[in-house]
Amino acid sequence: AQKITQTQPGMFVQEKEAVTLDCTYDTSDQSYGLFWYKQPSSGEMIFLIYQGSYDEQNATEGRYSLNFQKARKSANLVISASQLGDSAMYFCAMRERENTGFQKLVFGTGTRLLVSP
Amino acid sequence: GAVVSQHPSRVICKSGTSVKIECRSLDFQATTMFWYRQFPKQSLMLMATSNEGSKATYEQGVEKDKFLINHASLTLSTLTVTSAHPEDSSFYICSARPTNSGGTDTQYFGPGTRLTVL
Repeated sequence: AQKITQTQPGMFVQEKEAVTLDCTYDTSDQSYGLFWYKQPSSGEMIFLIYQGSYDEQNATEGRYSLNFQKARKSANLVISASQLGDSAMYFCAMRERENTGFQKLVFGTGTRLLVSP
Repeated sequence: GAVVSQHPSRVICKSGTSVKIECRSLDFQATTMFWYRQFPKQSLMLMATSNEGSKATYEQGVEKDKFLINHASLTLSTLTVTSAHPEDSSFYICSARPTNSGGTDTQYFGPGTRLTVL
């Protein structure tokens, strides 16, 4: 079953505008973590922001903020004041713990963001 | 901080040869490293979890004899693709989780290795 769902295969935004990338997740764990990563065309995965399931406030990192709605199981990424360099693939991921105690990341299918001048 | 390097960045080899990919955490120690595979326009698929000083844990469907993983130190993990075939051509990317991750367990990724098997 899909544990991380990103329903937007592609998004367009104009420079300096804000954009929201959607992410919903499915877990029965009480303790979990949610991450957003950016993957430019070079291929490197760049960590952007983290939200813990017990964090009461939405996470923010510079122009990135995470709109965490626990009851809806959504963790949308908001990028404010978009820049041309923000054009990339964006992946939402969830840290899940297996019965063995191992923790691993499960990734969504990604959203390609294109910022236009 | 939290820089991970990967070497080589790109490799082309003949079918039947073995290829070794190195993953290094440059400014932190990582008890645990992860190896992923990514096909074009797809998401990352976890192949295995590598723990320093112990055997790697492979995901279902990943052949442990084909993808050999060695995590010899707190800053180095290697992935060896043995007897590579064209279907092994892919983008391989590693990540490292700092030993002291402050409870977030954030993984930091290397730049990836593009493997092409002819």
